[in-house]
Amino acid sequence: GQNIDQPTEMTATEGAIVQINCTYQTSGFNGLFWYQQHAGEAPTFLSYNVLDGLEEKGRFSSFLSRSKGYSYLLLKELQMKDSASYLCAVEGDYKLSFGAGTTVTVRA
Amino acid sequence: GAVVSQHPSRVICKSGTSVKIECRSLDFQATTMFWYRQFPKQSLMLMATSNEGSKATYEQGVEKDKFLINHASLTLSTLTVTSAHPEDSSFYICSALEPGLRVYAYTFGSGTRLTVV
Repeated sequence: GQNIDQPTEMTATEGAIVQINCTYQTSGFNGLFWYQQHAGEAPTFLSYNVLDGLEEKGRFSSFLSRSKGYSYLLLKELQMKDSASYLCAVEGDYKLSFGAGTTVTVRA
Repeated sequence: GAVVSQHPSRVICKSGTSVKIECRSLDFQATTMFWYRQFPKQSLMLMATSNEGSKATYEQGVEKDKFLINHASLTLSTLTVTSAHPEDSSFYICSALEPGLRVYAYTFGSGTRLTVV
């Protein structure tokens, strides 16, 4: 089965940095995705990791450790528009399994 | 980039009626599409995997006769919620897998908010 855990909520101040952790135990692993989802909208792709290490893309970075079953999404220079739910998803057997999502609230 | 169109975005129906949701890949051919359901403040739960020209593969606990999936072409998959009841009210999202790609392989539709009254 699939077990993907991430914190339910996080709050941070505009301009700050927030790190969202994700741990997983899955029957297969072909890669880990991070998506951003605003309420009532579809998820939008943020990052993908298949090898260990850090992937940096502008203000967002994602890290993966396959041996530890661990990933994190790092959001830098937070902006108000970054307030959203962030979903960790693991790909196995050509389908995605999602964590419950972390709601990030950015305060002025 | 790849675009997936999902229609309708919102639908309200009476209990006992059926509702059809369409998912189209606009600029690529999707041999595989996925249907998810999402309840408020919960994760996306995979309902079924739809392959063009063959029967859909349903996840455990999803009723095949209630959630009918048809993937008749490489650009269109439909989900029909039959004999809908209030507990079927949810946010339904499709995604399409673009063959041959890796990083951006899964593209999501904009979702359908179904309310059964």
